Amino acid sequence: AQTVTQSQPEMSVQEAETVTLSCTYDTSESDYYLFWYKQPPSRQMILVIRQEAYKQQNATENRFSVNFQKAAKSFSLKISDSQLGDAAMYFCAYRSPFNDMRFGAGTRLTVKP
Amino acid sequence: DSGVTQTPKHLITATGQRVTLRCSPRSGDLSVYWYQQSLDQGLQFLIQYYNGEERAKGNILERFSAQQFPDLHSELNLSSLELGDSALYFCASTRNPDRGGNYGYTFGSGTRLTVV
Repeated sequence: AQTVTQSQPEMSVQEAETVTLSCTYDTSESDYYLFWYKQPPSRQMILVIRQEAYKQQNATENRFSVNFQKAAKSFSLKISDSQLGDAAMYFCAYRSPFNDMRFGAGTRLTVKP
Repeated sequence: DSGVTQTPKHLITATGQRVTLRCSPRSGDLSVYWYQQSLDQGLQFLIQYYNGEERAKGNILERFSAQQFPDLHSELNLSSLELGDSALYFCASTRNPDRGGNYGYTFGSGTRLTVV
């Protein structure tokens, strides 16, 4: 079964600095998708960024980028120029075609002013 | 507004009771997923429906059941409730459960269930 591991229960970053959240996954599939979701105190699940496994180029969305290492089964999220509004729980998720999405346990990010 | 509507937003009930959570997917989405999020934990997949048919089951208890109706809205029924069932229950939808899911799910805002 596919599993997603987030080894950092909590992370902290200074406003305007950069932080990287780690995620590893276990799969025998070759075709799959990876996601980072943000869950602010409102509890809404917000898609931050996604990556197709067949694409070698790392996805980027404004201040958010990923470092996708397929061989190492690693998918980290880098947040640049951190803002107070980035404070939230961040979930890494994995999905292969025809299957449901699997989530990691989450990393709580605190942004210090 | 994500387009996925969940009602009610909050629900408080006693142990042993039965409740029904409702989800209306985003317009055009045929597939609905239910997830459970216990306090400060990740999301656990419960069950998926596609166009009215059950498609996949996850860690769903026998006390829980779900269905998807012809208008594509879905209901999650929780019975014989226990304190440990207190959680946030999310509904998510996609247009095509197989290839469309590569764009991620669209989540509702969740139903907070408290069992006392």
